[in-house]
Amino acid sequence: QVQLQESGPGLVKPSGTLSLTCAVSRGSISSSNWWSWVRQPPGRGLEWIGEIYHSGSTNYNPSLKSRLTISVDKSKNRFSLNLSSVTAADTAVYYCASGVVGATKGQNWFDPWGQGTLVTVSS
Amino acid sequence: QSVLTQPPSVSGAPGQRVTISCTGSNSNIGAHYDVHWYQQLPGTAPKLLIYGDINRPSGVPDRFSVSKSGPSASLAINGLRAEDEADYYCQSYDSNLSGYVFGTGTKVTVL
Repeated sequence: QVQLQESGPGLVKPSGTLSLTCAVSRGSISSSNWWSWVRQPPGRGLEWIGEIYHSGSTNYNPSLKSRLTISVDKSKNRFSLNLSSVTAADTAVYYCASGVVGATKGQNWFDPWGQGTLVTVSS
Repeated sequence: QSVLTQPPSVSGAPGQRVTISCTGSNSNIGAHYDVHWYQQLPGTAPKLLIYGDINRPSGVPDRFSVSKSGPSASLAINGLRAEDEADYYCQSYDSNLSGYVFGTGTKVTVL
C-alpha cells in the first residue's frame, strides 16, 4: 500500500507562510487517486484543507482558499501545501492523505494517511 | 466548523454495544453522498474504518457495523473491547461547500 510522509518546519511566525511537503512512496502520485491535506488543531476535530490531482487540478476548502496553494511535483513523487498569512488559529497537526476515488464525484475517502506533523504558529 | 454533528462521547462496558450518530443535511448525507468512518487511536493518525457507506477494509472486524437513513448515519460497535477506545469521525462530501466534511468526532470510552 502507498505510504505518505509529511515534512516541513514545526514552527512558523504569525503572518508568515506555512509550507509542508508530502512524500509518496510505494506508489505513484500519477495514480487515479487525489492527494489531500487535512489538519487537526490540538484537542479538536479534523478539517479538510484541499486536494490535488497529478494533472495539477485542485479543490480547496472555501474557508482557506484565499490563503492556500497546493502543488504537485511528479518528478519527485510528492505534493506540497502552502498556507499564507498564518495566525495562531492555524496551529494544528497537518496530515496528508490519499483520496481514493469512489464511484462518482464526491464519494472519495481517505486511505492511507501520513503520520502527521505538528505545526505551531508563534513568534 | 464541522457540518456533520456527532455526540462528543459515548461509553460502554466490555462486551456491550455502543452507537455513534452522524447527523448532516440535504447538502451532504441527505444528498446521497457516501459516508465514511475513521478511527483515531490516541496520538496516531486517523485510520479508515468504513468506506462507501457499508464497506470494511481488510482487517476491520465485523463488530463494526453501519446504517444510514436520510441525512444521518450511524456506526455501531458490537462486543465492545478495550482496544476500541478511540476517537471516531464520520466523513462525507458537501455540495454547498464543494468539498469534504468531517464530523465533530466522538470519543468512545470503554468502562
